[in-house]
Amino acid sequence: GEDVEQSLFLSVREGDSSVINCTYTDSSSTYLYWYKQEPGAGLQLLTYIFSNMDMKQDQRLTVLLNKKDKHLSLRIADTQTGDSAIYFCAESRGAGNNRKLIWGLGTSLAVNP
Amino acid sequence: EAGVAQSPRYKIIEKRQSVAFWCNPISGHATLYWYQQILGQGPKLLIQFQNNGVVDDSQLPKDRFSAERLKGVDSTLKIQPAKLEDSAVYLCASSFATTGEQFFGPGTRLTVL
Repeated sequence: GEDVEQSLFLSVREGDSSVINCTYTDSSSTYLYWYKQEPGAGLQLLTYIFSNMDMKQDQRLTVLLNKKDKHLSLRIADTQTGDSAIYFCAESRGAGNNRKLIWGLGTSLAVNP
Repeated sequence: EAGVAQSPRYKIIEKRQSVAFWCNPISGHATLYWYQQILGQGPKLLIQFQNNGVVDDSQLPKDRFSAERLKGVDSTLKIQPAKLEDSAVYLCASSFATTGEQFFGPGTRLTVL
């Protein structure tokens, strides 16, 4: 995960917006992903964005991509206690059968009532 | 649609013992991945299969880890002998194609004493 960086912790109040940031290094990455991991559970794909897009919105989730700065963010509107989890940013590298995901260390989101 | 199945969910062994994990991917998914996730870190790819062939095993410690996917469906990951530093969650994921999103199983939490 050394090439994909995320802040380790974020704490917000219920009802506020959460913004989780990620920086990556490979400008040729085609897809960038956000995964959510709840305690004791596997990884769940939340959303992804293709590299030719600047923004993608899906209900309470908004993904912003700044390709020039290699910066990706995930905004969660109206954050709920059920959103408490670890959020992983991942970039897709390579092509065809050699495509693989490079992961960040994850951002632990704590939502306080 | 059934998700990725893994067993066992938990395993505790002593160092130098052997252990095996099993994964059943989503039906029709040709690509299967095994990841190791150490506490506080992102997933680390151990091995990637395309059908029953190995695409990438560059980070698999081959002196003690082995994996197979003989019929291109189920897969097993074995550790022999285990070391203390192998304590981690072992995640299996599958995707329809190498360009597709990865779906994760719940993981097997291994504790080596």
